[in-house]
Amino acid sequence: GAVVSQHPSRVICKSGTSVKIECRSLDFQATTMFWYRQFPKQSLMLMATSNEGSKATYEQGVEKDKFLINHASLTLSTLTVTSAHPEDSSFYICSALYRGWRDNSPLHFGNGTRLTVT
Amino acid sequence: SQQGEEDPQALSIQEGENATMNCSYKTSINNLQWYRQNSGRGLVHLILIRSNEREKHSGRLRVTLDTSKKSSSLLITASRAADTASYFCATAALYNFNKFYFGSGTKLNVKP
Repeated sequence: GAVVSQHPSRVICKSGTSVKIECRSLDFQATTMFWYRQFPKQSLMLMATSNEGSKATYEQGVEKDKFLINHASLTLSTLTVTSAHPEDSSFYICSALYRGWRDNSPLHFGNGTRLTVT
Repeated sequence: SQQGEEDPQALSIQEGENATMNCSYKTSINNLQWYRQNSGRGLVHLILIRSNEREKHSGRLRVTLDTSKKSSSLLITASRAADTASYFCATAALYNFNKFYFGSGTKLNVKP
């Protein structure tokens, strides 16, 4: 159980276009989803916390107009990279929290999306 | 990293040996978790230790937590080639424990 599906796994786009990444919890309801960015051989950087039905909370230094997050339902969150530039090329990973924070629950991760902006 | 550092950054051992990775963090925590990441993939949860626990075991994994030193260690015993991956610690902050920050990671290579 607790499977998180992230799509697409790999995307190449041209500079100036927008890319949408989907994150779905397949067999559980995720009241909170997180979006991370990972540079090569580095750790995960938390970009934003997404709660169902409310606006995402962005970490300091992350442009909310650049990285649009929508958490429309308890099983789906999307990250849209708007007007992408080559420096946005990275590995983006979503994760979902099962049953919320009260249970000391672990995070369940998608398999990530490799974004390359040419 | 956003939360802390892990050491070593890279570790290369022979199959059958034990591997120890350390994690330090910066803020007071509710719990600390260890994750594994195979190259180019998402992370898989390994083990969670609460702030009031000092040691926890799961199969070949042993985790310790020292909140006074804000540090944790992960020991993998009798390592296998399949253990080759990057290992990250993640902490849930004490007063905002639905938010998780990751350490810098240790890249483990187990040679057959």
